[in-house]
Amino acid sequence: QQQVKQSPQSLIVQKGGISIINCAYENTAFDYFPWYQQFPGKGPALLIAIRPDVSEKKEGRFTISFNKSAKQFSLHIMDSQPGDSATYFCAAYSGNTPLVFGKGTRLSVIA
Amino acid sequence: NAGVTQTPKFRILKIGQSMTLQCTQDMNHNYMYWYRQDPGMGLKLIYYSVGAGITDKGEVPNGYNVSRSTTEDFPLRLELAAPSQTSVYFCASSYSSRSDTQYFGPGTRLTVL
Repeated sequence: QQQVKQSPQSLIVQKGGISIINCAYENTAFDYFPWYQQFPGKGPALLIAIRPDVSEKKEGRFTISFNKSAKQFSLHIMDSQPGDSATYFCAAYSGNTPLVFGKGTRLSVIA
Repeated sequence: NAGVTQTPKFRILKIGQSMTLQCTQDMNHNYMYWYRQDPGMGLKLIYYSVGAGITDKGEVPNGYNVSRSTTEDFPLRLELAAPSQTSVYFCASSYSSRSDTQYFGPGTRLTVL
């Protein structure tokens, strides 16, 4: 049972473009939604996170948009750069369950 | 601060062999986790611990065992290795709850032949 559905599986974006990765969930008890970034050969690292009391959170070029009624959240990377090429995981958490990860999106930013 | 360290980085096992994946953190975190990562499948939780002496099963615990005798160390034991256990294993830790930022180690790439 996949609790967090992430799409697309892979994404190719031109340098300077906008990268958009989407996640959907069913469990309305989820109350914390982080995104992790993983470079090849490394462990994942927290990129940005949001709680459902806000609809958007921005940190630099990275923005999380959250739609509570649709049970969806997305990561937008503005002005995408080759250094952003990595695998991105969305995740969700509630007090009753460990962190649940999506299957990941492999992003390639090409010049 | 070294953060979360894992050894070994790579290992090849034969079917039926046993091994222990080591994980140590120096951040005085209470929570520690073991995940496996398979291509296109994301991160699946194997076991986690909320403190020394306390462990609990995650999503995919079969074929694995853990112990937590100290705050710093959280080893993962494979008793009878099977090809299905070929994966990249990540250890992680967080300070006080499962919603806190998880800090991951560099991973161990295990192949079972």
